[in-house]
Amino acid sequence: AQKITQTQPGMFVQEKEAVTLDCTYDTSDPSYGLFWYKQPSSGEMIFLIYQGSYDQQNATEGRYSLNFQKARKSANLVISASQLGDSAMYFCAMREGRSPGYALNFGKGTSLLVTP
Amino acid sequence: SQTIHQWPATLVQPVGSPLSLECTVEGTSNPNLYWYRQAAGRGLQLLFYSVGIGQISSEVPQNLSASRPQDRQFILSSKKLLLSDSGFYLCAWDRGRAMDEQFFGPGTRLTVL
Repeated sequence: AQKITQTQPGMFVQEKEAVTLDCTYDTSDPSYGLFWYKQPSSGEMIFLIYQGSYDQQNATEGRYSLNFQKARKSANLVISASQLGDSAMYFCAMREGRSPGYALNFGKGTSLLVTP
Repeated sequence: SQTIHQWPATLVQPVGSPLSLECTVEGTSNPNLYWYRQAAGRGLQLLFYSVGIGQISSEVPQNLSASRPQDRQFILSSKKLLLSDSGFYLCAWDRGRAMDEQFFGPGTRLTVL
């Protein structure tokens, strides 16, 4: 079964607007972490933000924030004030406390295009 | 600071030829190391991980193998490449703590013809 689901294959947003990228997850492990990565066309995976399952507050990193709704098992990424350089693939990933080697489980990604 | 290197950056190989991709990490010791493959337009699939020298775990049965001859060196190999081995290969490391982020290398784009 898919552990991470990203239902938006592609998204468009106008420059300076905010955008929300959806991510839902499935786990029975009480201890887990949720991560968002950005992959520009160059291919490198850039870590953006992390949310732990026991964290009480939503994580924020600059223009990135994570809307964590534990009961709904969702961890949506919000990018405020979009910039042209935000155009990229975005991946949601989860690491469970019992994952072998603590490997990350990735979703299929969302392609974001920021337009002028 | 820590850095992770991968080479080569791109590779075009004929079907049936051998493969060796190398990954090295600098600035840390005893990292967990990972090999992922990304097919075109898809997410990342874990291939191998290693928690120490000589310790390799495989997540997906395939004709690939991995080795960790030194603490900060991780090698992905194949004796005979298949067309289906084409993809983008990413090496990653972390500190081996459950809730740490993983840091990725620049990747190797492999095309098997």
